[in-house]
Amino acid sequence: GDSVTQMEGPVTLSEEAFLTINCTYTATGYPSLFWYVQYPGEGLQLLLKATKADDKGSNKGFEATYRKETTSFHLEKGSVQVSDSAVYFCALKPPAFGKGNQVVVIP
Amino acid sequence: NAGVTQTPKFQVLKTGQSMTLQCAQDMNHNSMYWYRQDPGMGLRLIYYSASEGTTDKGEVPNGYNVSRLNKREFSLRLESAAPSQTSVYFCASSGMEDSGNTIYFGEGSWLTVV
Repeated sequence: GDSVTQMEGPVTLSEEAFLTINCTYTATGYPSLFWYVQYPGEGLQLLLKATKADDKGSNKGFEATYRKETTSFHLEKGSVQVSDSAVYFCALKPPAFGKGNQVVVIP
Repeated sequence: NAGVTQTPKFQVLKTGQSMTLQCAQDMNHNSMYWYRQDPGMGLRLIYYSASEGTTDKGEVPNGYNVSRLNKREFSLRLESAAPSQTSVYFCASSGMEDSGNTIYFGEGSWLTVV
């Protein structure tokens, strides 16, 4: 079945550093791809999405490009802030989610 | 603009007690889901309902039952709670209409079984 794999482990970085979180997927066809963010004590909310190959989703300074050649949808942000500390989930069409990555940004 | 509403937000149960988590969505979505979230385990799908009148098991269905009461509501029941069911539970819904399968989550229900 469809599945998503995220890089292992939490990510800790300093404010204004560059953030990358890797995500690869296995699916039939070309599904929509998503990144969700979960702030402490809250539910998940959509951060960005891409619905077809080579699309770039972007929101709040975050970007991810749908790469069908490498079946990837890596999340990037050029300069993180403390307020970006959260858990980030990569996902295919429901209900396939990755296990999430905790991101901690240190001032 | 309620979206997905789930209740209760917090609950403490004794082992062996039963309870039902309620969920409702007002976005006219066909699909609804129940997930649990545990530290280090990410989100795990318990049950889902692709449309009114249908339900299917997810990754971790044991110890749970669900009811898709109508298009809006999808409840999760714990018949005999166990400490292993201590978790945060999220209800969610999705639809193809204008959201391209975007999934919308409730705020979560924190359940402790002692």
